[in-house]
Formats: sequence, C-alpha cells, structure tokens
Amino acid sequence: DAGITQSPRHKVTETGTPVTLRCHQTENHRYMYWYRQDPGHGLRLIHYSYGVKDTDKGEVSDGYSVSRSKTEDFLLTLESATSSQTSVYFCAIRQEGLPQETQYFGPGTRLLVL
Amino acid sequence: AQKITQTQPGMFVQEKEAVTLDCTYDTSDQSYGLFWYKQPSSGEMIFLIYQGSYDEQNATEGRYSLNFQKARKSANLVISASQLGDSAMYFCAWLYSNASKIIFGSGTRLSIQP
Repeated sequence: DAGITQSPRHKVTETGTPVTLRCHQTENHRYMYWYRQDPGHGLRLIHYSYGVKDTDKGEVSDGYSVSRSKTEDFLLTLESATSSQTSVYFCAIRQEGLPQETQYFGPGTRLLVL
Repeated sequence: AQKITQTQPGMFVQEKEAVTLDCTYDTSDQSYGLFWYKQPSSGEMIFLIYQGSYDEQNATEGRYSLNFQKARKSANLVISASQLGDSAMYFCAWLYSNASKIIFGSGTRLSIQP
C-alpha cells in the first residue's frame, strides 16, 4: 500500500464551507494524485503533482485547489464546498519504473456536503 | 482528445471459466502505459497489472494477464480460472507518459457465479 494515509476518512460539511483533505505518504514518491469517485463515473482525476510545488490540473479541477509543500503531503482543498462535490476522494501515488510501474491508492475519504 | 473506454458495464461468468475484460484507448502518443485495478465491494483500489507501450511481451501476474494489441489500441485483462472472490469492479487506466497523468475508464462490474 506504499504507506498512504488519508485524513479525515469521513467528513460531513455544509455548503459554502472550505474543506481540506490530506494525503500522506511515507515512501518519498514523486507523483501523487487526487481522484473522485461517483456512481456511474468511475474515477476522475482532479489534480496531480510531480514534485514539491509542482502540480497540474486533471479532468475535473474546477472548484478544487491543491498544494504540495513537502514530498510526503498532498492537500486537496474545496474552497467553498457544494453538494455536487459529495463524493469519495482517493489519493494515489505512482511508483515509477523497476521492478515495474505501479500506482497505489489510499483508503479514500467519504465527503458529504449538505 | 485522448480517452480510455471500457465497453462492458457488467459481466456474469461461471466460476472456473476464463474472463476477458475489454479496454480500448485512443491516442497518437508513442509512449504510454496501461494499468488494471480491482475494486471489491469494500471499496479499496487494488493494483493488478501494468503494461508499457514499449514492452515486447504481454504482462502477466499470477492469474492475470494483459492481452495488449497495440495496432488495435486495446489492452484487455484476462483472468484465468475465475474464482468467486474475483467478483468486483475492474478499471483500466491510462498513463500519459509525457504528462504523467493517469486517467481511468468507467469500469466493468464482474460477477462470478458458482
């Protein structure tokens, strides 16, 4: 599992409030990813990072921002949560190259926006 | 736009039969990679297998193999001798090597029947 943790694991919040989700890894991987999973949509990429302070947008980045000030932490912020952002959020790391290319996921965060 | 497609929303298979899950992609890139993941009802994402576009031989991992046909732009997952525990959602995912993005197909729900 590459030592990936997500916090919180569950959160209920109200529309309009800011929310920050944290992804923490212990193995110094360069690439980190945030996805959301909704019924009927599979996993959709929100943002990803390829190093400290290096981030880029994914498929569904509107309404989300990210920061990576340390290799081990990748933060996802919903500036003003909306009900459409109710979802399960997964963080992942990419392990490059040998023995093989791999992507490991955290356990997920269930977010409910009321 | 580059995309990845899983055309089978659901499949029912008898235990011990082999299963092929389809995945096609659309790209003009020469360098890329393809992942397959399993997501059981408990919700965690489990990495199964990876194939790079320059890999000469089809990837195998235990009962999983990847039928990679570059000319057809397909990367189908083959599960040999299916077991009841194989019942789950299966996702293929595409690695854009130039950008390090990894995006997912919509998934196939596999049900193994005794």
